[in-house]
Amino acid sequence: GAVVSQHPSRVICKSGTSVKIECRSLDFQATTMFWYRQFPKQSLMLMATSNEGSKATYEQGVEKDKFLINHASLTLSTLTVTSAHPEDSSFYICSARVNHGATYEQYFGPGTRLTVT
Amino acid sequence: AQRVTQPEKLLSVFKGAPVELKCNYSYSGSPELFWYVQYSRQRLQLLLRHISRESIKGFTADLNKGETSFHLKKPFAQEEDSAMYYCALVGYNQGGKLIFGQGTELSVKP
Repeated sequence: GAVVSQHPSRVICKSGTSVKIECRSLDFQATTMFWYRQFPKQSLMLMATSNEGSKATYEQGVEKDKFLINHASLTLSTLTVTSAHPEDSSFYICSARVNHGATYEQYFGPGTRLTVT
Repeated sequence: AQRVTQPEKLLSVFKGAPVELKCNYSYSGSPELFWYVQYSRQRLQLLLRHISRESIKGFTADLNKGETSFHLKKPFAQEEDSAMYYCALVGYNQGGKLIFGQGTELSVKP
Protein backbone atom coordinates (compact mmCIF):
# COMPACT_ATOMS: atom_id res chain seq x y z
CA GLY A 1 0.00 0.00 0.00
CA ALA A 2 0.93 3.63 -0.29
CA VAL A 3 3.03 4.89 2.60
CA VAL A 4 3.59 8.47 3.64
CA SER A 5 6.31 9.38 6.10
CA GLN A 6 6.96 12.54 8.06
CA HIS A 7 10.12 13.77 9.65
CA PRO A 8 10.63 14.62 12.41
CA SER A 9 7.94 12.93 14.45
CA ARG A 10 8.47 15.37 17.30
CA VAL A 11 10.25 18.68 17.49
CA ILE A 12 10.69 21.24 20.23
CA CYS A 13 11.92 24.68 19.29
CA LYS A 14 12.32 28.06 20.89
CA SER A 15 10.02 30.93 20.12
CA GLY A 16 11.24 32.92 17.13
CA THR A 17 13.03 30.09 15.40
CA SER A 18 11.94 28.27 12.25
CA VAL A 19 11.15 24.60 11.90
CA LYS A 20 10.97 22.47 8.77
CA ILE A 21 8.78 19.39 8.52
CA GLU A 22 9.19 16.92 5.68
CA CYS A 23 6.51 14.79 4.10
CA ARG A 24 7.52 11.98 1.77
CA SER A 25 5.59 9.50 -0.32
CA LEU A 26 7.72 6.39 -0.03
CA ASP A 27 6.51 4.09 -2.75
CA PHE A 28 4.55 6.29 -5.09
CA GLN A 29 4.62 9.70 -6.68
CA ALA A 30 2.24 12.37 -5.50
CA THR A 31 1.56 15.48 -7.52
CA THR A 32 -0.69 16.75 -4.76
CA MET A 33 -0.08 16.73 -1.04
CA PHE A 34 -2.05 18.36 1.72
CA TRP A 35 -1.01 19.85 5.05
CA TYR A 36 -3.31 19.72 8.04
CA ARG A 37 -3.23 20.89 11.60
CA GLN A 38 -4.92 18.90 14.33
CA PHE A 39 -5.68 19.87 17.91
CA PRO A 40 -6.23 17.18 20.56
CA LYS A 41 -9.36 15.17 19.89
CA GLN A 42 -10.43 17.62 17.23
CA SER A 43 -10.81 17.45 13.52
CA LEU A 44 -8.13 18.02 10.94
CA MET A 45 -7.96 21.57 9.71
CA LEU A 46 -6.70 21.85 6.16
CA MET A 47 -3.96 24.45 5.93
CA ALA A 48 -2.88 24.22 2.33
CA THR A 49 -2.76 22.16 -0.82
CA SER A 50 0.71 21.55 -2.16
CA ASN A 51 1.15 20.91 -5.86
CA GLU A 52 4.43 19.72 -7.29
CA GLY A 53 6.21 22.40 -9.23
CA SER A 54 3.78 25.19 -8.37
CA LYS A 55 2.80 27.43 -5.52
CA ALA A 56 0.76 26.04 -2.70
CA THR A 57 -2.88 27.00 -2.29
CA TYR A 58 -3.61 28.18 1.21
CA GLU A 59 -6.91 27.99 3.02
CA GLN A 60 -8.55 31.13 4.25
CA GLY A 61 -6.98 32.40 7.43
CA VAL A 62 -3.68 30.56 7.00
CA GLU A 63 -0.69 32.88 6.73
CA LYS A 64 1.34 31.83 3.71
CA ASP A 65 4.38 33.80 4.85
CA LYS A 66 4.35 31.99 8.15
CA PHE A 67 3.73 28.49 6.86
CA LEU A 68 5.99 28.08 3.86
CA ILE A 69 5.29 25.08 1.69
CA ASN A 70 7.61 23.69 -0.94
CA HIS A 71 6.78 20.75 -3.16
CA ALA A 72 9.94 20.46 -5.18
CA SER A 73 9.60 16.82 -6.21
CA LEU A 74 6.93 14.21 -6.72
CA THR A 75 7.84 12.52 -3.46
CA LEU A 76 8.62 15.39 -1.11
CA SER A 77 6.74 18.34 0.30
CA THR A 78 8.03 20.48 3.13
CA LEU A 79 6.30 22.76 5.59
CA THR A 80 8.39 25.42 7.29
CA VAL A 81 6.93 27.19 10.27
CA THR A 82 8.76 30.50 10.34
CA SER A 83 9.31 32.55 13.47
CA ALA A 84 7.39 30.03 15.49
CA HIS A 85 5.39 31.07 18.52
CA PRO A 86 3.80 28.99 21.29
CA GLU A 87 0.41 29.24 19.60
CA ASP A 88 1.88 27.36 16.63
CA SER A 89 2.32 24.33 18.86
CA SER A 90 0.20 21.62 17.33
CA PHE A 91 0.11 18.31 15.53
CA TYR A 92 0.86 18.75 11.84
CA ILE A 93 -0.22 16.04 9.43
CA CYS A 94 0.44 15.70 5.75
CA SER A 95 -1.31 13.52 3.21
CA ALA A 96 -0.60 12.53 -0.35
CA ARG A 97 -3.22 12.02 -2.97
CA VAL A 98 -3.29 9.07 -5.31
CA ASN A 99 -5.51 9.00 -8.36
CA HIS A 100 -7.62 5.91 -8.94
CA GLY A 101 -9.20 6.59 -12.28
CA ALA A 102 -12.00 9.06 -11.71
CA THR A 103 -11.58 9.11 -7.94
CA TYR A 104 -8.86 9.91 -5.44
CA GLU A 105 -7.57 8.42 -2.27
CA GLN A 106 -5.51 10.19 0.34
CA TYR A 107 -2.84 8.53 2.43
CA PHE A 108 -1.84 10.19 5.65
CA GLY A 109 1.49 10.60 7.35
CA PRO A 110 1.94 9.80 11.04
CA GLY A 111 2.09 13.46 11.98
CA THR A 112 4.65 15.76 13.56
CA ARG A 113 4.20 17.11 17.09
CA LEU A 114 5.55 20.65 17.24
CA THR A 115 6.10 22.28 20.61
CA VAL A 116 7.25 25.89 20.71
CA THR A 117 8.64 27.04 24.04
CA ALA B 1 -21.63 25.33 1.30
CA GLN B 2 -20.07 21.91 1.54
CA ARG B 3 -20.05 20.63 5.06
CA VAL B 4 -19.80 17.42 7.05
CA THR B 5 -21.44 17.23 10.46
CA GLN B 6 -20.85 14.65 13.12
CA PRO B 7 -23.21 15.59 15.94
CA GLU B 8 -21.69 13.38 18.61
CA LYS B 9 -18.32 14.28 20.05
CA LEU B 10 -18.21 11.16 22.20
CA LEU B 11 -20.05 7.88 21.95
CA SER B 12 -19.63 5.36 24.72
CA VAL B 13 -20.99 1.82 24.46
CA PHE B 14 -20.40 -1.54 26.05
CA LYS B 15 -18.69 -4.39 24.27
CA GLY B 16 -21.15 -6.34 22.16
CA ALA B 17 -23.60 -3.45 21.83
CA PRO B 18 -24.55 -2.03 18.43
CA VAL B 19 -22.85 1.16 17.34
CA GLU B 20 -24.00 3.93 15.04
CA LEU B 21 -21.83 6.98 14.42
CA LYS B 22 -23.81 9.68 12.72
CA CYS B 23 -22.68 11.74 9.77
CA ASN B 24 -24.66 14.27 7.76
CA TYR B 25 -23.40 16.26 4.85
CA SER B 26 -24.31 19.13 2.59
CA TYR B 27 -22.97 19.06 -0.94
CA SER B 28 -24.21 20.25 -4.28
CA GLY B 29 -23.76 17.37 -6.65
CA SER B 30 -22.93 13.71 -6.19
CA PRO B 31 -20.69 13.37 -3.16
CA GLU B 32 -18.06 10.79 -2.52
CA LEU B 33 -18.00 9.96 1.17
CA PHE B 34 -15.50 8.28 3.42
CA TRP B 35 -15.01 7.17 6.99
CA TYR B 36 -11.52 7.50 8.42
CA VAL B 37 -10.36 6.08 11.73
CA GLN B 38 -7.53 7.18 13.98
CA TYR B 39 -6.50 4.75 16.69
CA SER B 40 -4.58 6.05 19.66
CA ARG B 41 -1.12 7.26 18.61
CA GLN B 42 -1.58 6.04 15.05
CA ARG B 43 -2.06 7.79 11.76
CA LEU B 44 -5.37 8.47 10.15
CA GLN B 45 -6.41 5.60 7.93
CA LEU B 46 -9.25 4.95 5.55
CA LEU B 47 -11.92 2.70 7.01
CA LEU B 48 -14.34 2.61 4.12
CA ARG B 49 -15.68 4.60 1.20
CA HIS B 50 -19.23 4.58 0.00
CA ILE B 51 -18.51 3.69 -3.60
CA SER B 52 -16.87 0.39 -2.67
CA ARG B 53 -19.82 -0.71 -0.52
CA GLU B 54 -17.48 -2.88 1.53
CA SER B 55 -17.70 -4.03 5.10
CA ILE B 56 -14.43 -3.38 6.90
CA LYS B 57 -13.82 -4.73 10.41
CA GLY B 58 -17.56 -5.33 10.64
CA PHE B 59 -18.41 -1.69 9.90
CA THR B 60 -20.78 -0.65 7.15
CA ALA B 61 -22.08 2.70 5.98
CA ASP B 62 -24.86 3.43 3.55
CA LEU B 63 -25.18 6.66 1.68
CA ASN B 64 -28.71 8.03 2.04
CA LYS B 65 -29.05 10.88 -0.41
CA GLY B 66 -32.57 11.70 0.73
CA GLU B 67 -31.44 12.28 4.29
CA THR B 68 -27.94 13.40 3.23
CA SER B 69 -26.47 10.97 5.71
CA PHE B 70 -23.65 8.45 5.77
CA HIS B 71 -23.91 6.86 9.19
CA LEU B 72 -21.35 4.26 10.25
CA LYS B 73 -22.71 1.11 11.85
CA LYS B 74 -21.48 -2.03 13.51
CA PRO B 75 -23.78 -4.61 15.07
CA PHE B 76 -21.45 -5.71 17.86
CA ALA B 77 -18.79 -3.30 19.11
CA GLN B 78 -15.39 -4.59 20.22
CA GLU B 79 -12.97 -2.93 22.62
CA GLU B 80 -10.43 -2.56 19.83
CA ASP B 81 -12.91 -0.36 17.96
CA SER B 82 -12.22 2.43 20.43
CA ALA B 83 -10.81 5.29 18.35
CA MET B 84 -11.59 8.63 16.74
CA TYR B 85 -13.79 8.34 13.69
CA TYR B 86 -14.00 11.01 11.02
CA CYS B 87 -16.54 11.28 8.27
CA ALA B 88 -15.32 13.10 5.17
CA LEU B 89 -16.33 13.98 1.66
CA VAL B 90 -14.31 14.85 -1.38
CA GLY B 91 -14.94 18.26 -2.81
CA TYR B 92 -14.09 17.57 -6.43
CA ASN B 93 -15.08 21.09 -7.35
CA GLN B 94 -12.69 22.33 -4.68
CA GLY B 95 -9.57 20.75 -6.03
CA GLY B 96 -10.31 17.34 -4.57
CA LYS B 97 -9.93 18.42 -0.97
CA LEU B 98 -11.18 16.19 1.79
CA ILE B 99 -13.71 17.99 3.94
CA PHE B 100 -13.76 16.43 7.41
CA GLY B 101 -16.40 16.32 10.06
CA GLN B 102 -15.54 17.21 13.62
CA GLY B 103 -14.92 13.61 14.58
CA THR B 104 -16.55 11.26 17.06
CA GLU B 105 -14.62 9.50 19.76
CA LEU B 106 -15.90 5.96 20.18
CA SER B 107 -15.22 4.35 23.52
CA VAL B 108 -16.10 0.67 23.88
CA LYS B 109 -16.13 -0.47 27.47
CA PRO B 110 -15.60 -4.06 28.58
